[in-house]
Amino acid sequence: GAVVSQHPSWVICKSGTSVKIECRSLDFQATTMFWYRQFPKQSLMLMATSNEGSKATYEQGVEKDKFLINHASLTLSTLTVTSAHPEDSSFYICSAKGQGERETQYFGPGTRLLVL
Amino acid sequence: AQSVTQLGSHVSVSEGALVLLRCNYSSSVPPYLFWYVQYPNQGLQLLLKYTSAATLVKGINGFEAEFKKSETSFHLTKPSAHMSDAAEYFCAVSEGYSTLTFGKGTMLLVSP
Repeated sequence: GAVVSQHPSWVICKSGTSVKIECRSLDFQATTMFWYRQFPKQSLMLMATSNEGSKATYEQGVEKDKFLINHASLTLSTLTVTSAHPEDSSFYICSAKGQGERETQYFGPGTRLLVL
Repeated sequence: AQSVTQLGSHVSVSEGALVLLRCNYSSSVPPYLFWYVQYPNQGLQLLLKYTSAATLVKGINGFEAEFKKSETSFHLTKPSAHMSDAAEYFCAVSEGYSTLTFGKGTMLLVSP
């Protein structure tokens, strides 16, 4: 149980384009989803927290207009990197918390973004 | 505010040897504590968690951790390392249902 998927696992795009990453909880309803960014050989940096049906809460220093988050249902959250630039290249990981086990986050496999 | 300190960015052990990864935390309330493992180019997998029940927590793959309030520690151990245990390990703390705060991670290297 508690499986989280991400799609795509890899994406390469040209500078200036937008990229959408999906995060799904496959076998539970996720009341809260989180988006993290991880630079090589570093820990995870929380970007934003989203609750189903409401606006995401962004961490300090994260551009809301740059990283659009939509949590439209209890099983799906999306992160859109708008007008991507090479400095946005990174490993993006989502996680989800369910209603029954509210203290535990379950993580997706991550999405590697490379902006050329 | 909550914080996590993982001592040692790299730990090297021989196959069959004891694994000890150190984690100390700071929290203003009774914490929830977690250990996650990350294999290259993958997400994080939950190894075990402490949520105010038994202080000795057993997780997957033979790992366990002991919550010691007096030492504000939550060290991860495994009696006998396997080659497949080589990965990055993250300790994390949460105050109730709040967000997770991660340590910087410890890379476990296992030699034959």
